[in-house]
Amino acid sequence: DIQVTQSPSSLSASLGDSVTVTCRASQNISVYLNWYQQRPGKAPKLLIYGASNLQSGAPSRFSGRGSGTDFTLTISSLQPEDFATYYCQQCYSTRTFGQGTKVEVK
Amino acid sequence: QVHLVESGGGLVKPGGSLRLSCAASGFNFSDSFMTWIRQAPGKGLEWVSYISNRGTTTYYAESVEGRFTISRDNAKNSLYLQMNNLRAEDTATYYCARNQAVLGVVAASLDSWGQGTLVTGSS
Repeated sequence: DIQVTQSPSSLSASLGDSVTVTCRASQNISVYLNWYQQRPGKAPKLLIYGASNLQSGAPSRFSGRGSGTDFTLTISSLQPEDFATYYCQQCYSTRTFGQGTKVEVK
Repeated sequence: QVHLVESGGGLVKPGGSLRLSCAASGFNFSDSFMTWIRQAPGKGLEWVSYISNRGTTTYYAESVEGRFTISRDNAKNSLYLQMNNLRAEDTATYYCARNQAVLGVVAASLDSWGQGTLVTGSS
């Protein structure tokens, strides 16, 4: 199975900060990488699909980049509702999720 | 508006069985691949099983292969997960989700999720 490893596992940031989360795949997955946001006690929500495509309804401050093995999710200006856990997920082969990155208030 | 509602969770003894259901509305269910995902308490997400729109293709994670069976009834707009020989490590919130294709790859992403149903395996 293809493994996807996120870093960092957690980070602290302030409102208005720009934040970047990284996801690395264990082999080339082209652009078959999605990002989700999960707020506490809630179901995940799709933010980015195909590495860089913003899901309908997701705020434009979220952006995704990358291809091959290295990917990033950037939140350009943190809002209160963005403090959550973020997961990457590869869809190149047997679907797997990263372990998550928790974005906390500094 | 897409709406997914899971039910059927509960407390079950190791070795026991449980059947989860997911009622879908707000979209053409028979056109959509569907997936079950689970999340153990305080842990990350695990892709458990998916099924094609007509039910002819299924996939299972190694951790549940041979014990869980996914099915659907398009006439009832419902998705199911039959869970047999449950283990303590199957304890999790189980979500159903609608699949979205990505760049021609089916069942690639999960664009709508239910609120989840909790399954607890404990003696």
